[in-house]
Amino acid sequence: DGGITQSPKYLFRKEGQNVTLSCEQNLNHDAMYWYRQDPGQGLRLIYYSQIVNDFQKGDIAEGYSVSREKKESFPLTVTSAQKNPTAFYLCASSIRGYGEQYFGPGTRLTVT
Amino acid sequence: ELKVEQNPLFLSMQEGKNYTIYCNYSTTSDRLYWYRQDPGKSLESLFVLLSNGAVKQEGRLMASLDTKARLSTLHITAAVHDLSATYFCAVDINNAGNMLTFGGGTRLMVKP
Repeated sequence: DGGITQSPKYLFRKEGQNVTLSCEQNLNHDAMYWYRQDPGQGLRLIYYSQIVNDFQKGDIAEGYSVSREKKESFPLTVTSAQKNPTAFYLCASSIRGYGEQYFGPGTRLTVT
Repeated sequence: ELKVEQNPLFLSMQEGKNYTIYCNYSTTSDRLYWYRQDPGKSLESLFVLLSNGAVKQEGRLMASLDTKARLSTLHITAAVHDLSATYFCAVDINNAGNMLTFGGGTRLMVKP
């Protein structure tokens, strides 16, 4: 079955540690996205990538980094510079130029 | 900066009643998407609206788009408990299919 997977589902880290969230898709989509969702809020765009080896900052990129070495994979690193990293992180993908995005199941990150 | 505003933010309704959720946006766009999110879960695509006057229906939900008014509506007919969820609209900010801006969501609770 085609889809988007994110791992892990839950992640706990100590403050000051970098952590990498995985996102993989087998939909053959060119475009991939990372969003952050805080409780009771909408989604905010962190980074997006339209093609391999290229990505752009979204609205809240500070304290995050990404890479896009393969079409299927778009990992997100939450660095120690991110002041409030505890949140629900959602990865999505789409056909390039066609806006409907398909979402993965999400990773809930808790930093203490 | 594109703003996407939904109202109401919270809606409690009885089963069998009708209601409409509104999504207003602040800049020109011909592409708008509706998603559903169950508590603690990811987003599920409901409707893709790609032109002025577009109307889509699925079961008890009907979505429409008026690009001149910069307004989309999600109408609920004869609500049932299973429709309880948070509904998000998202606007393609440059009509290029590469970036969405999400509204803050409408939390719908349907009481038996």
